[in-house]
Amino acid sequence: QKEVEQNSGPLSVPEGAIASLNCTYSDRVSQSFFWYRQYSGKSPELIMSIYSNGDKEDGRFTAQLNKASQYVSLLIRDSQPSDSATYLCAVAGSGGSNYKLTFGKGTLLTVNP
Amino acid sequence: GAGVSQSPRYKVAKRGQDVALRCDPISGHVSLFWYQQALGQGPEFLTYFQNEAQLDKSGLPSDRFFAERPEGSVSTLKIQRTQQEDSAVYLCASSKDRGGNQPQHFGDGTRLSIL
Repeated sequence: QKEVEQNSGPLSVPEGAIASLNCTYSDRVSQSFFWYRQYSGKSPELIMSIYSNGDKEDGRFTAQLNKASQYVSLLIRDSQPSDSATYLCAVAGSGGSNYKLTFGKGTLLTVNP
Repeated sequence: GAGVSQSPRYKVAKRGQDVALRCDPISGHVSLFWYQQALGQGPEFLTYFQNEAQLDKSGLPSDRFFAERPEGSVSTLKIQRTQQEDSAVYLCASSKDRGGNQPQHFGDGTRLSIL
């Protein structure tokens, strides 16, 4: 059973701070990793994808991947109250099932004004 | 439309009734997925279509669950003889090409409540 683990939170940060969200996964050969943001009652919204070791930056968001440690993280700089949501880490399967996403339970982030 | 569209947004049914949930993917997207999301959990994979072919249905919880995509666009998830444990949000997602390692784009889901 492939697993994706996230701290459920809630993670509370003040406005303007850096929020750090972490995720570990069990399938050593997974190649694709995604971060989704989900507001209450809404659909998951893709905010970052990462496929190679290292950092990938997009605006205020930075995804970091370390395949050797089976660890992926999301940093949100200059956090805003509008960033308050649940952040889901998703890992694609390997080999012939690489279309199948396994999600963590999500981390609830609260950004306080 | 620009995004994945699902209907109805909310569905209430009595235990034992059959329900049908509809998904209209992003135009031209080859791959379509159904997920089930329980309260406080991440989405869990149910089934995968590539065009009209259902290539993976390993996540369907029981033989009461059935999905189809007859013309390779709109998909329907049907649940027969509903049970209370079927209460969840059912999410549909699509991606542009066949195969994996691609971002999936989600609809707003159908919130199903079984009384």
